[in-house]
Amino acid sequence: AQSVTQPDIHITVSEGASLELRCNYSYGATPYLFWYVQSPGQGLQLLLKYFSGDTLVQGIKGFEAEFKRSQSSFNLRKPSVHWSDAAEYFCAVGLTGGGNKLTFGTGTQLKVEL
Amino acid sequence: GAVVSQHPSWVICKSGTSVKIECRSLDFQATTMFWYRQFPKQSLMLMATSNEGSKATYEQGVEKDKFLINHASLTLSTLTVTSAHPEDSSFYICSAPTSGLYNEQFFGPGTRLTVL
Repeated sequence: AQSVTQPDIHITVSEGASLELRCNYSYGATPYLFWYVQSPGQGLQLLLKYFSGDTLVQGIKGFEAEFKRSQSSFNLRKPSVHWSDAAEYFCAVGLTGGGNKLTFGTGTQLKVEL
Repeated sequence: GAVVSQHPSWVICKSGTSVKIECRSLDFQATTMFWYRQFPKQSLMLMATSNEGSKATYEQGVEKDKFLINHASLTLSTLTVTSAHPEDSSFYICSAPTSGLYNEQFFGPGTRLTVL
């Protein structure tokens, strides 16, 4: 069965610093890849997604992610973090023929120090 | 973007009672909706796929008699936790994809269930 691993449970960065959140997946083929952000009291919001094509994907709020097939990774990056970016971030995968079902990683809690 | 609402946002009930949670797609039709369960500081675990006009599809290990799902219309799916017990306390989240394969899914804000 497919799995999604987010190795970092918690990450703390200073405002203005760069950010990279790691995501690795385990699946025989290239899955559809997503990053979602969850803020308290709000539903999950899609930051970006990768289906095919250019392996560097741009998303909302200044986020980007790079798909690396050789490493089975889809890491999320932001060059300069804002205090409002503090939230829970989830990587998710969907499978061809999976009927829109998503498998989520365990999440990374981002704390931003002012 | 599209909006998915959930009601109630939180509920407290006594052990043994049943609780119904509604999930609505407000400005689009959803033939499929998904129900997730999220434990504190943990990931979302898919419980079931709700299909409009047909039976829900449950993930392995999810008790279909405990978690009743009804997708009565193209904009409404309900999850009923029957004979709730404290171990059913959790955060329940629904989502609805727009049409097409792996188009963006829109998530509801979640429902916090506490069973006393």
